[in-house]
Amino acid sequence: NAGVMQNPRHLVRRRGQEARLRCSPMKGHSHVYWYRQLPEEGLKFMVYLQKENIIDESGMPKERFSAEFPKEGPSILRIQQVVRGDSAAYFCASSPTSGDTQYFGPGTRLTVL
Amino acid sequence: ILNVEQSPQSLHVQEGDSTNFTCSFPSSNFYALHWYRWETAKSPEALFVMTLNGDEKKKGRISATLNTKEGYSYLYIKGSQPEDSATYLCALMDSSYKLIFGSGTRLLVRP
Repeated sequence: NAGVMQNPRHLVRRRGQEARLRCSPMKGHSHVYWYRQLPEEGLKFMVYLQKENIIDESGMPKERFSAEFPKEGPSILRIQQVVRGDSAAYFCASSPTSGDTQYFGPGTRLTVL
Repeated sequence: ILNVEQSPQSLHVQEGDSTNFTCSFPSSNFYALHWYRWETAKSPEALFVMTLNGDEKKKGRISATLNTKEGYSYLYIKGSQPEDSATYLCALMDSSYKLIFGSGTRLLVRP
């Protein structure tokens, strides 16, 4: 059973461009969570999604950030018009049910030039 | 705002030493307490999920205890080995199922 997959592992964008981060959960998992680690900080919750639904987006910045988890395909975290402060490691986790162990992917390291 | 504190921030021990770290959290809104082991350039690896006051979990040389009334959990490593070197994270899961992480304890085990 493959673990949580994230791609790309590294992404470089210039200010003003868009960043798309993908997360494929473990097989059989329908709950996906995104976390962000800013430089010198810990992991912070961003958003919790279940297939086609956003359950909790209380950790998402109000502008430029969006997330989806369609019926088919990976979950996508989209950042529009990136700024230098968006440079961080973005981790995705999945679980089979709510409240269960969350299994983490290897993360995508976003660098904004 | 829920705050999860871990101490110490870092720890250097000799191979064979036993060690322990602390995670403290607010008791209100508690659903579960998760421990993760995180090696550099890898994914955080789930160690334990603890839900009941007085819970004790064990995995090889690593064990953890939970006190939800006073809001703390201890992680113990018996006979540390160099391969135990990693950052150990605890995370409070609240009633909305999101994880609120502490800043971690960075363990270095010297051969």
